[in-house]
Amino acid sequence: EIVMTQSPATLSVSPGERATLSCRASQNVYSKLAWYQQKPGQAPRLLIYGTSTRATGIPARFSGSGSGTEFTLTISSLQSEDFAVYYCQQYINWPKTFGPGTKVDIK
Amino acid sequence: QVQLQQSGPGLVKPSQTLSLTCGISGDSVSSTSTAWNWIRQSSSGGFEWLGRTYYRLNWSFDYAVSMRGRISITPDTSKNQFSLQLTSVTPADTAVYYCAREKAFFDSWGQGTLVAVSS
Repeated sequence: EIVMTQSPATLSVSPGERATLSCRASQNVYSKLAWYQQKPGQAPRLLIYGTSTRATGIPARFSGSGSGTEFTLTISSLQSEDFAVYYCQQYINWPKTFGPGTKVDIK
Repeated sequence: QVQLQQSGPGLVKPSQTLSLTCGISGDSVSSTSTAWNWIRQSSSGGFEWLGRTYYRLNWSFDYAVSMRGRISITPDTSKNQFSLQLTSVTPADTAVYYCAREKAFFDSWGQGTLVAVSS
């Protein structure tokens, strides 16, 4: 099973600032990496797949990069609605595993 | 746009069977380009994939090793939905359960059902 780790666990950011979230896989997942956003009491929402492709309706301030085992989600200018927990997930191998999440909160 | 609507009880007694249903609109449970999954999330936030069903030339089922022997996922083409049954539940099965459409990644999710296992 591929183990996903994320850092930091919590990221405190002021509105308008840039947020950079990291995700690491225990083995090569190539570009088969997705990012999800989850707000309290809601289901996860797909943000990014294929490492860098934004899902339908996702604003351009969200971008993904990386390959192999190291990946990054960048939110260029945080809006109030972006404060949430972000999860990465690999889908190259079964079971498809998630990271533990990074909580982005207001500084 | 696909929508998934979950239904089922939020409280199950230990040793009994957890049953949830996921209704699909905007897609078909028989689609040959998707799979239909159940995933749960613990109170600490961790996700655990439970299993899936999909149709290609016939119906296929994949289950998490940790769930084998207790889990069953059943498609219902007449109602365009799929169901989860988890038998012999214990308090460790308390979690938020989600259904999700899979196109390699999980692009659509149900609203989630908090299921508590308690007497």
